[in-house]
Amino acid sequence: EAGVTQFPSHSVIEKGQTVTLRCDPISGHDNLYWYRRVMGKEIKFLLHFVKESKQDESGMPNNRFLAERTGGTYSTLKVQPAELEDSGVYFCASSPLGPSGTQYFGPGTRLLVL
Amino acid sequence: GEDVEQSLFLSVREGDSSVINCTYTDSSSTYLYWYKQEPGAGLQLLTYIFSNMDMKQDQRLTVLLNKKDKHLSLRIADTQTGDSAIYFCAESISRGGGNKLTFGTGTQLKVEL
Repeated sequence: EAGVTQFPSHSVIEKGQTVTLRCDPISGHDNLYWYRRVMGKEIKFLLHFVKESKQDESGMPNNRFLAERTGGTYSTLKVQPAELEDSGVYFCASSPLGPSGTQYFGPGTRLLVL
Repeated sequence: GEDVEQSLFLSVREGDSSVINCTYTDSSSTYLYWYKQEPGAGLQLLTYIFSNMDMKQDQRLTVLLNKKDKHLSLRIADTQTGDSAIYFCAESISRGGGNKLTFGTGTQLKVEL
């Protein structure tokens, strides 16, 4: 069974540009999460989808970040316009429905904003 | 609020046991997890423990939970060079059909020959 995949694996952009990250969860997982690790700091929750609905977006830093999950399958996270402090590793995770659903993480997208 | 703390570094000799400690603050945590991240790789789930348990053993891994002190530890027996990685502790809060993870800063484990 394929795991969580993320694309691209790396992205280097200039400040002010737009970047879109994609996450494909494990098939059948209704829960999809985005997390971010800024250099040297802890991994922080960004948001949680249940199917196509945003269940919790309390971790989104500001309105330059837009996450979508149309059709309840893959998700995209767009940063527009990107700022230097957005650099970090963006992780996606998925889990089946239920409070005990273990989250399986993708390899992450390493974003560098210059 | 939710806050998880870990020491940043741990160095052990190959063959010794490693103990990585973690403290958390939210008493409503349902599950506590240990994830491993090798260089350039994603987060790999190592093990987890339900909050009403105090110990879980899985091969070389032993997880101890002291719920009163909100203290979690991961013991790796017979540590090998392949165990060198960053280990993240995470607490889980159930919300809306899923669970939100709060991570510690990660402990960098270095295994020396």
